[in-house]
Amino acid sequence: DQQVKQNSPSLSVQEGRISILNCDYTNSMFDYFLWYKKYPAEGPTFLISISSIKDKNEDGRFTVFLNKSAKHLSLHIVPSQPGDSAVYFCAASALWGQGAQKLVFGQGTRLTINP
Amino acid sequence: DVKVTQSSRYLVKRTGEKVFLECVQDMDHENMFWYRQDPGLGLRLIYFSYDVKMKEKGDIPEGYSVSREKKERFSLILESASTNQTSMYLCASSLSSGLDNEQFFGPGTRLTVL
Repeated sequence: DQQVKQNSPSLSVQEGRISILNCDYTNSMFDYFLWYKKYPAEGPTFLISISSIKDKNEDGRFTVFLNKSAKHLSLHIVPSQPGDSAVYFCAASALWGQGAQKLVFGQGTRLTINP
Repeated sequence: DVKVTQSSRYLVKRTGEKVFLECVQDMDHENMFWYRQDPGLGLRLIYFSYDVKMKEKGDIPEGYSVSREKKERFSLILESASTNQTSMYLCASSLSSGLDNEQFFGPGTRLTVL
């Protein structure tokens, strides 16, 4: 049962254009959402996050949008640069037992920026 | 600079062997996690620990166990390795009080079981 879904395994975008990565979730108890970026042979690194009480968060070229009614979030990268080529994981935060938070990850989307 | 290190980048083991994967963090984080990453499946949580000697099962704990004797170290143990445990293993840590629940990841260990 995949609670967090990234339905596009790959995306190819021309340099300078906008990249839009999408993520859907099923559990309405998720209260925080994060995007991670992963290069080959490296661990994922945190990119940007958004609380469920907001609908938008922006950090430089990266903006995350949250539509709670649709249980959908998206990551916009503009303008896209060759260094943005990586696998992007969407993650949702849920309260676990003992008060700890755990992350549920999507399958990932491989973004390729073409020069 | 925050750091999570994993003992090996690449590991090759035989079916039935006992395998230890070690993870160390230098950020004094309370929480530590073990994931495996497989194509098309994303990152799946195996086990996590919220304190020394405390552990909780994640989504796919079968065939694995963990040990946390010290705050900075979290070990993943494959009691009897099988070929379906061939995967990329990622360790992460986080602060309990972190409002954004950001987890910091190590570089990963690519395990091949023959």
